[in-house]
Amino acid sequence: AQRVTQPEKLLSVFKGAPVELKCNYSYSGSPELFWYVQYSRQRLQLLLRHISRESIKGFTADLNKGETSFHLKKPFAQEEDSAMYYCALTTIKAAGNKLTFGGGTRVLVKP
Amino acid sequence: EAGVAQSPRYKIIEKRQSVAFWCNPISGHATLYWYQQILGQGPKLLIQFQNNGVVDDSQLPKDRFSAERLKGVDSTLKIQPAKLEDSAVYLCASSLDASWRFDTGELFFGEGSRLTVL
Repeated sequence: AQRVTQPEKLLSVFKGAPVELKCNYSYSGSPELFWYVQYSRQRLQLLLRHISRESIKGFTADLNKGETSFHLKKPFAQEEDSAMYYCALTTIKAAGNKLTFGGGTRVLVKP
Repeated sequence: EAGVAQSPRYKIIEKRQSVAFWCNPISGHATLYWYQQILGQGPKLLIQFQNNGVVDDSQLPKDRFSAERLKGVDSTLKIQPAKLEDSAVYLCASSLDASWRFDTGELFFGEGSRLTVL
């Protein structure tokens, strides 16, 4: 069975400082990894996915299969980055796009 | 484009009562999901539909929870009888077509229905 772990419940950083959200997963096959974000009073939405290898809103995430990690990074945090972030994993297409979520990390960017 | 619609947004009931939540996915989305999110935790999948068929309901407490997606569009999630531990936000999500190998895998979520069981 797959599992996603986000060890930090809360990350508090100052504006302009780097921020890194940790995500570790356990799955024996080849997973697809995502980061979802929920801003205050908004619905959960996709931030980025590892297969796209893109930067969204300054965030990047690299899949490290050796360490089974998919950490989310941003070199200079902004106040508008304050939100809940969820790492999520899905498996082979045949099983559908069922997402397994981590417990989430709340990011607070202070001015 | 209209997003995933859910109702009611909030519901307070007493234990042993019943409750139903409704979801209307994005038009054209074949796959629909119900997630349960307990306070302080990540969303947990309850059931996944592909059109009007169930793909995965392994984590649905079938003694009290039921869900249906008649005609492959709208869906209803019912809890009967409710327990205190059912207090949570119930999220509905949809995706284009999880059985299609070129599906991007992106899920689109509704605003959720917050249930409080007293």
